[in-house]
Amino acid sequence: GEDVEQSLFLSVREGDSSVINCTYTDSSSTYLYWYKQEPGAGLQLLTYIFSNMDMKQDQRLTVLLNKKDKHLSLRIADTQTGDSAIYFCAERSAGNTPLVFGKGTRLSVIA
Amino acid sequence: DGGITQSPKYLFRKEGQNVTLSCEQNLNHDAMYWYRQDPGQGLRLIYYSQIVNDFQKGDIAEGYSVSREKKESFPLTVTSAQKNPTAFYLCASSRRGDGELFFGEGSRLTVL
Repeated sequence: GEDVEQSLFLSVREGDSSVINCTYTDSSSTYLYWYKQEPGAGLQLLTYIFSNMDMKQDQRLTVLLNKKDKHLSLRIADTQTGDSAIYFCAERSAGNTPLVFGKGTRLSVIA
Repeated sequence: DGGITQSPKYLFRKEGQNVTLSCEQNLNHDAMYWYRQDPGQGLRLIYYSQIVNDFQKGDIAEGYSVSREKKESFPLTVTSAQKNPTAFYLCASSRRGDGELFFGEGSRLTVL
């Protein structure tokens, strides 16, 4: 079945940029999502990108999609301590199927 | 405010007992989902429902049961057949089966 892979940990210094990477296997993906989870809470949608786009920018967040390599990245500019959380990549295939999530990347921001 | 409410937030049960987790949404969403989260495992889909009175098994449905008698409610029962039920359970909904997901705050179940 479809698979979504992410590295499990990332540590950055406050003020630096963070880049979280994700790869997926499903070539029929229509939408790709980034969710954020703070400790003990549910997931919140950060941003998403349609599969026919290469880039999407939303304030400090930049999403890059390389559809040929099936690679998605999330860049957080000027990373703050409040950005410390787990970030999940998820993809949706064509048709009425549930999202497939990666295992999440735990971002730690060092002051 | 519109949203998804899960209850209880924390739950303890003894081995051999069934327990039901509640999930209610007032977003008028058609589809609802249950995920299980374990450390380092990400989110794994247990069951989902795209319409009232219908639901499908996800990747790890064994030992769980659900019902969808009302559009706004999708309770999950963790049965005694579930071998390792201690986990964080997340409920989600979407406007339709292929829309973005909105999540509840989660329920943490601990089996003693």
